Amino acid sequence: LAKTTQPISMDSYEGQEVNITCSHNNIATNDYITWYQQFPSQGPRFIIQGYKTKVTNEVASLFIPADRKSSTLSLPRVSLSDTAVYYCLDRMDSSYKLIFGSGTRLLVRP
Amino acid sequence: EADIYQTPRYLVIGTGKKITLECSQTMGHDKMYWYQQDPGMELHLIHYSYGVNSTEKGDLSSESTVSRIRTEHFPLTLESARPSHTSQYLCASSEDADRAEKLFFGSGTQLSVL
Repeated sequence: LAKTTQPISMDSYEGQEVNITCSHNNIATNDYITWYQQFPSQGPRFIIQGYKTKVTNEVASLFIPADRKSSTLSLPRVSLSDTAVYYCLDRMDSSYKLIFGSGTRLLVRP
Repeated sequence: EADIYQTPRYLVIGTGKKITLECSQTMGHDKMYWYQQDPGMELHLIHYSYGVNSTEKGDLSSESTVSRIRTEHFPLTLESARPSHTSQYLCASSEDADRAEKLFFGSGTQLSVL
């Protein structure tokens, strides 16, 4: 069962913009793309969700091209507290299974 | 904000014991999930349910079992705990509006089997 693919890790500095891209090679036609953030010893937390084009909320922006084969999470002006693992998620078929990929481990340095 | 509760938060138990990890949600969500996660590793789906009396196994084979007798309750049971079951277990429920599924996670149960 193919999952989403994303970079294993990224480094950044406080105040920079961070973009994390995810591949959705087998996304189902009607399904949305969702991103989650996870801190150590906690469950993942919803960040943002979209179907296509651009979505923005108070935390992040999400860019999805027309073919929906990828998505990019954009975190503006990151801080140390943004150090976490970020997961992109979609559903590959009509089942109810939601499979997480490996996630991207973001380290924000001072 | 969804309310989903897992108990206990931490559990240390001896090999061979039967254990039940509790998960409850107050949102009325039909779909619920159990994930297993080792430190620094990805989450693995072990069970899911799309409603009362419906349960399915996930992608990772697990010796645990689940039940869904009530919408709000989705307990996970291990009949005979072993050290290989040591892991973090995360329960989630989801709000699904036109395939825009959004998962809400509990705080997890950290299980250690000695």
